[in-house]
Amino acid sequence: AQKITQTQPGMFVQEKEAVTLDCTYDTSDPSYGLFWYKQPSSGEMIFLIYQGSYDQQNATEGRYSLNFQKARKSANLVISASQLGDSAMYFCAMRESADQLIWGAGTKLIIKP
Amino acid sequence: EAQVTQNPRYLITVTGKKLTVTCSQNMNHEYMSWYRQDPGLGLRQIYYSMNVEVTDKGDVPEGYKVSRKEKRNFPLILESPSPNQTSLYFCASSFGGLADNTGELFFGEGSRLTVL
Repeated sequence: AQKITQTQPGMFVQEKEAVTLDCTYDTSDPSYGLFWYKQPSSGEMIFLIYQGSYDQQNATEGRYSLNFQKARKSANLVISASQLGDSAMYFCAMRESADQLIWGAGTKLIIKP
Repeated sequence: EAQVTQNPRYLITVTGKKLTVTCSQNMNHEYMSWYRQDPGLGLRQIYYSMNVEVTDKGDVPEGYKVSRKEKRNFPLILESPSPNQTSLYFCASSFGGLADNTGELFFGEGSRLTVL
């Protein structure tokens, strides 16, 4: 069974609009962490945001926020006021055991001018 | 500059010819890991290391070896590469294990390997 599911293989969004990238996860571990990474066409992996399972508030980092709905096991990434430079692959990942990250297949986001 | 450095960045080789992809970090990180990235599959962990002389298998260790003789270096060895090991490989490191903090992984730039 998939542990991390990103249901949107690709998305087109108009510049300056907000974007929501979906991520659902499956775990029975009460302690876990959720991550989002960005991979531009140049290939590097850029850390965006982290949410711990016990965190009371949704994580935010600048234009990025994580909409954490624990009961639904979803951890959607929200990008406000999208920019052309946001065009990239976006990966959701979950830390379940102490030392492994499990990755989703990714969503390719294209921002249209 | 704090970084994770991988070499080579690009490599084309033939089946059976041993190769090593080097990885070095200058942040005094204890945790290091290797991933491979294939289209539609995200990243899959090959091996990881919690500290010097400590290595463990990830999800897809078959066909790979690693060593951690020094804290800063974590080479990935393909003893007898096969075409199904054609992939994009990432080395990553973090201060402690992923449970010690936010677990942010710092990634190298990637090594694109083609095995003919």
